[in-house]
Amino acid sequence: ETGVTQSPTHLIKTRGQQVTLRCSSQSGHNTVSWYQQALGQGPQFIFQYYREEENGRGNFPPRFSGLQFPNYSSELNVNALELDDSALYLCASSPPRTGSYNEQCFGPGTRLTVL
Amino acid sequence: KQEVTQIPAALSVPEGENLVLNCSFTDSAIYNLQWFRQDPGKGLTSLLLIQSSQREQTSGRLNASLDKSSGRSTLYIAASQPGDSATYLCAVLRSSGSRLTFGEGTQLTVNP
Repeated sequence: ETGVTQSPTHLIKTRGQQVTLRCSSQSGHNTVSWYQQALGQGPQFIFQYYREEENGRGNFPPRFSGLQFPNYSSELNVNALELDDSALYLCASSPPRTGSYNEQCFGPGTRLTVL
Repeated sequence: KQEVTQIPAALSVPEGENLVLNCSFTDSAIYNLQWFRQDPGKGLTSLLLIQSSQREQTSGRLNASLDKSSGRSTLYIAASQPGDSATYLCAVLRSSGSRLTFGEGTQLTVNP
């Protein structure tokens, strides 16, 4: 158990709809990153939030957006869903950037299916 | 652009065998490297983290090594068990607080 939780566990949507996925970070972790993992592939970085501001973005279109809240929980929003958005969405939290240790702790993921 | 490659893509071994999983990365300027385990449909479990200044880390039957200059890491699993069956992913962190870049994983099956 990493202390990182995600909800919901599974979600089914249809093309064109919008979805919000949620993540609760491990206590004391002020950085959260979101990754998309398509079936049979490694996770791909979507974006990262640090102290409630976006701090880096991968090669994903603007319809992927996020928020981080003062309690370090986070949301991933995806608008105008496409079939290719079907994937496992993983959130990872990491501790304050002090010292040389910077392990990312992953949640169990949300499985999104777009029909 | 950092690229991470894992070989082999899949591996099937009999129980009790020692095995090595390989990970290579193109940019040696990394901060750390993590090995993860992923069971089907589940999230990632961190197994070992090696800082860029370290050469290896050990946890139980697992040993991970890092050779930054050649852009390689190996995960050694001793005396494999059926419960070790999973996908193993390696990922590199470019700098503190940045993104992880993952390989595509090695799917391991340990047969009883």
